[in-house]
Amino acid sequence: GAVVSQHPSWVICKSGTSVKIECRSLDFQATTMFWYRQFPKQSLMLMATSNEGSKATYEQGVEKDKFLINHASLTLSTLTVTSAHPEDSSFYICSARVLANTGELFFGEGSRLTVL
Amino acid sequence: EDQVTQSPEALRLQEGESSSLNCSYTVSGLRGLFWYRQDPGKGPEFLFTLYSAGEEKEKERLKATLTKKESFLHITAPKPEDSATYLCAVANQAGTALIFGKGTTLSVSS
Repeated sequence: GAVVSQHPSWVICKSGTSVKIECRSLDFQATTMFWYRQFPKQSLMLMATSNEGSKATYEQGVEKDKFLINHASLTLSTLTVTSAHPEDSSFYICSARVLANTGELFFGEGSRLTVL
Repeated sequence: EDQVTQSPEALRLQEGESSSLNCSYTVSGLRGLFWYRQDPGKGPEFLFTLYSAGEEKEKERLKATLTKKESFLHITAPKPEDSATYLCAVANQAGTALIFGKGTTLSVSS
């Protein structure tokens, strides 16, 4: 299967700081990447759809100014959590689709964010 | 509203004890039903895609089936290494993203 890599795999930061998470497609080009958030024992919740070269599409209830998404190339999307607070602590996972409209998403390893 | 419900929430099996996991869905026009495996602290690993009722797919001890309202993930003679959370998802109406259930956490003891 296709390989999607995330970095960092875990990060601890102080309240009020910003954190950037990178998502890379290693062996394919991804015009679209997806950012999910997962709380313990909860479902993966789609936060936003990242489109290469254009603005991301955010799901209802997701703050655009808090979760900045940039998709500058066909292999890299970044999620920046700005002015992080303890309630932003979660598991963030990115995913990408190899071929448009086939449906199969391949996921990164996830990034565990803890805000103190 | 598109929705995915998985049951049971947790399942404990003895090694070799076969069972099934259920995924019920409501969606306007199924564009694909997906099964993933997720280990603790890891991203989901793709298992199967099913597109139409009656379709079946197999991989080692796992077999996924699909009806018009639900999907089953059958586990035959499970081993401890099959312990994980199994996630079910359907494509949203636009076919652009996946809507996930909460998952079934499977524990297989030897």
